[in-house]
Amino acid sequence: GDSVTQTEGPVTLSEGTSLTVNCSYETKQYPTLFWYVQYPGEGPQLLFKVPKANEKGSNRGFEATYNKEATSFHLQKASVQESDSAVYYCALSRSNYQLIWGSGTKLIIKP
Amino acid sequence: DAGVTQTPRHEVAEKGQTIILKCEPVSGHNDLFWYRQTKIQGLELLSYFRSKSLMEDGGAFKDRFKAEMLNSSFSTLKIQPTEPKDSAVYLCASSLVQGRGTGQLYFGEGSKLTVL
Repeated sequence: GDSVTQTEGPVTLSEGTSLTVNCSYETKQYPTLFWYVQYPGEGPQLLFKVPKANEKGSNRGFEATYNKEATSFHLQKASVQESDSAVYYCALSRSNYQLIWGSGTKLIIKP
Repeated sequence: DAGVTQTPRHEVAEKGQTIILKCEPVSGHNDLFWYRQTKIQGLELLSYFRSKSLMEDGGAFKDRFKAEMLNSSFSTLKIQPTEPKDSAVYLCASSLVQGRGTGQLYFGEGSKLTVL
């Protein structure tokens, strides 16, 4: 079946360093790929989505490229801030309704 | 526009009790989802409605969990009877389906359930 695998957390970084959270997926369909972010006490919210292969999504300095050949969608940011501390979820949607979620990666940024 | 509203934000129940969680989706959205979130299992889909019709009832959650969509702007999740392992955050989300596949999910802040 379809699946999403992402970096196991927590990931602890110092402010100003670069971030990569790996996300790999398996599906026989042609998915739309998502990154969601969840801050403490809130529900997940969309960071960005990319519906087409080989395109890049970005928001708030975060970016990810939909790599169909490698079936990957790694999240990157050049310089993290303390306010980026949150849980990040990679997800895919198929042609039907359902989102397949990764397990989430908790990011802790130290000042 | 108002986002997804969930009530209560916190609920404490004794084992065996019945609890009802409530959700008001974003106005005009036609998809509604209930998820359970725990540190160990992450996000687990409980139920999914499209235009008030139940599309997915969560498999393993069928026996004690029942979600209903009474109208397009209100949904409930009933857990009966509760067990300590039901302690989790229950999240409601809605979406406006446009074209192929799913659009963006809008989540509520969640209802944190503690079963003693």
